[in-house]
Amino acid sequence: QVTLRESGPALVKPTQTLTLTCTFSGFSLSTSGMCVSWVRQPPGKALEWLALIDWDDDKYYSTSLKTRLTISKDTSKNQVVLTMTNMDPVDTATYYCARMDYYDSRGLDYWGQGTLVTVSS
Amino acid sequence: EIVLTQSPATLSLSPGERATLSCRASQSVSSYLAWYQQKPGQAPRLLIYDASNRATGIPARFSGSGSGTDFTLTISSLEPEDFAVYYCQQRSNGGLTFGGGTKVEIK
Repeated sequence: QVTLRESGPALVKPTQTLTLTCTFSGFSLSTSGMCVSWVRQPPGKALEWLALIDWDDDKYYSTSLKTRLTISKDTSKNQVVLTMTNMDPVDTATYYCARMDYYDSRGLDYWGQGTLVTVSS
Repeated sequence: EIVLTQSPATLSLSPGERATLSCRASQSVSSYLAWYQQKPGQAPRLLIYDASNRATGIPARFSGSGSGTDFTLTISSLEPEDFAVYYCQQRSNGGLTFGGGTKVEIK
């Protein structure tokens, strides 16, 4: 079955760079149509899309955050990594990774449980 | 960037009632719109994709409609487990955006 799990630091200091890893199983990012996306949610607020990487290694970023984000994949390890630079307290949120099958459901059909990242000195 | 506006922000209804949620896009997204349900402390769950297709395992009381800029999620008869927050999401040119959400609460 398909599973995704986010990992990374629970606490980062302002101005630091956040690195999050999504480790998944049950599908391959080398399969045509497969994508992995990152989404975050500040406490009590709405979902915010961050980035997406697809099977062809095409990458897409939130317009408002693209200067701070980098997404990459390691197909052999079944991992997707997101880095976000210059972290600020407003970046405190639960960060989710999720799968999209571009040729099937075309929605984010499987999600990790999320990881809470707090930005504080 | 395409902006999605959801209304109302909060919907107060009783079990058994019909819920109608709206999502409006700032420009056409064709039928590339999905709906999600989120309960407290949980990850979102995909309900509807491509505007009107139910995801695997989603009950028939959930239905989606619309195309272009105006979309609707309808829950035909609310069950106790349906009280949650609902988000719409569009996909265009590879990028995604989410709406601000509609909370369906018990009246």
